[in-house]
Amino acid sequence: QVQLQESGPGLVKPSHTLSLTCTVSGDSVSSGAYYWGWIRQPAGKGLEWIGRIFADGSTVYNPSLESRVNILLDTSRNQLSLRLTSVTAADTAVYYCARERKTVPGTRSLWFDPWGQGTLVTVSS
Amino acid sequence: DIQMTQSPSSLSASVGDRVTITCRASQNIYNYLNWYQQKPGKVPELLIYGTSSMQTGVPSRFSGSGSGTDYTLTISSLQPEDFASYYCQQSYSIPYTFGQGTKLEIK
Repeated sequence: QVQLQESGPGLVKPSHTLSLTCTVSGDSVSSGAYYWGWIRQPAGKGLEWIGRIFADGSTVYNPSLESRVNILLDTSRNQLSLRLTSVTAADTAVYYCARERKTVPGTRSLWFDPWGQGTLVTVSS
Repeated sequence: DIQMTQSPSSLSASVGDRVTITCRASQNIYNYLNWYQQKPGKVPELLIYGTSSMQTGVPSRFSGSGSGTDYTLTISSLQPEDFASYYCQQSYSIPYTFGQGTKLEIK
């Protein structure tokens, strides 16, 4: 059974950097059949795709966040991480990591499954 | 970005009702359409992928259909555990985008 678990500070000050880690069990982040990504959900609102990373370290980001976001892979620990710089209150949300099924062969994304439990990050001084 | 518009935003229904939720994309997404169910305080879970394929374990009362820009999620006979929020999501074009959600409530 594949499981993802997010971890990181629940409170970040404005203008600082949000850093989260997602630990994967039951699958390898080096798998060629999946991307690994981040999605967020502000309280009471909808879902926003942040970006993804592949086993070779290649990344794709949502253009709306691209200037502030960085996703990294640690294959030795089977983890992915998210860094979001210069945060504001608008970045307050539950952050989920998720496995993103892709076509094999090919690069097309298909769907997100499973998702981690999510972690609430509040941006406040 | 492809805009995904769900309707209705909220819906009150009774156990046993047939319910349809609609998702409209701002351009053709060629059936790259997924549905997720999110219960209060819980994680979104994949329900239907590729417009009409059901994720393992999803009850047969759920079904999906559509093409081009218009897609639907149908629950044939509502059960108490189906009261949740539902989100559509397109995986045709980056950035992947979600509908705003449909909250299904008990009447």
